[in-house]
Amino acid sequence: NAGVTQTPKFQVLKTGQSMTLQCAQDMNHEYMSWYRQDPGMGLRLIHYSVGAGITDQGEVPNGYNVSRSTTEDFPLRLLSAAPSQTSVYFCASSYGPAGGLYEQFFGPGTRLTVL
Amino acid sequence: AQSVAQPEDQVNVAEGNPLTVKCTYSVSGNPYLFWYVQYPNRGLQFLLKYITGDNLVKGSYGFEAEFNKSQTSFHLKKPSALVSDSALYFCAVRDDAGNMLTFGGGTRLMVKP
Repeated sequence: NAGVTQTPKFQVLKTGQSMTLQCAQDMNHEYMSWYRQDPGMGLRLIHYSVGAGITDQGEVPNGYNVSRSTTEDFPLRLLSAAPSQTSVYFCASSYGPAGGLYEQFFGPGTRLTVL
Repeated sequence: AQSVAQPEDQVNVAEGNPLTVKCTYSVSGNPYLFWYVQYPNRGLQFLLKYITGDNLVKGSYGFEAEFNKSQTSFHLKKPSALVSDSALYFCAVRDDAGNMLTFGGGTRLMVKP
């Protein structure tokens, strides 16, 4: 049982480039989320999904796209990278809503730098 | 909209002493409150939650949290700190729909031998 996995661990992009951050979980969780972590600002929700085929925006969705074609995978796409997207990105999953009875399980994170 | 405040960027405590990490919240309905811990270069790990019931909630690794409705606080506590408790601690509250968590800015706990 690998839990929540994220790839890559580190990435450097140039402004304007696009890329996809991968997230997968093997716990059969319906709920998955993407957060970004910036110093002093805690974690901010980018997008989340309540099941395959269903996604919704979080607090800071601009510049990011998501899709959920399977229960296991929840990729995050940066359409045109900007320096403001330099951050550490965490994927999380849970059996039920993040704010309910179920704890979230977090991946190890992806550290992204945009030059 | 809901919000969480962690007023201290860093808390320093000597090993063996009690520790408190503060959190206050604002939410329109009944509060669902959480504490998570992040060790260096790792993702967050769940510590404990308050949904309803007893105001003193016990969690992992000997941590507990006290819910105070009148003061809108949910402070994290441990009777005797360990050096291995040194980490970044986040308080979180759920949104009104229950689908999302709003996190505080985090408090770095440093436990010195």
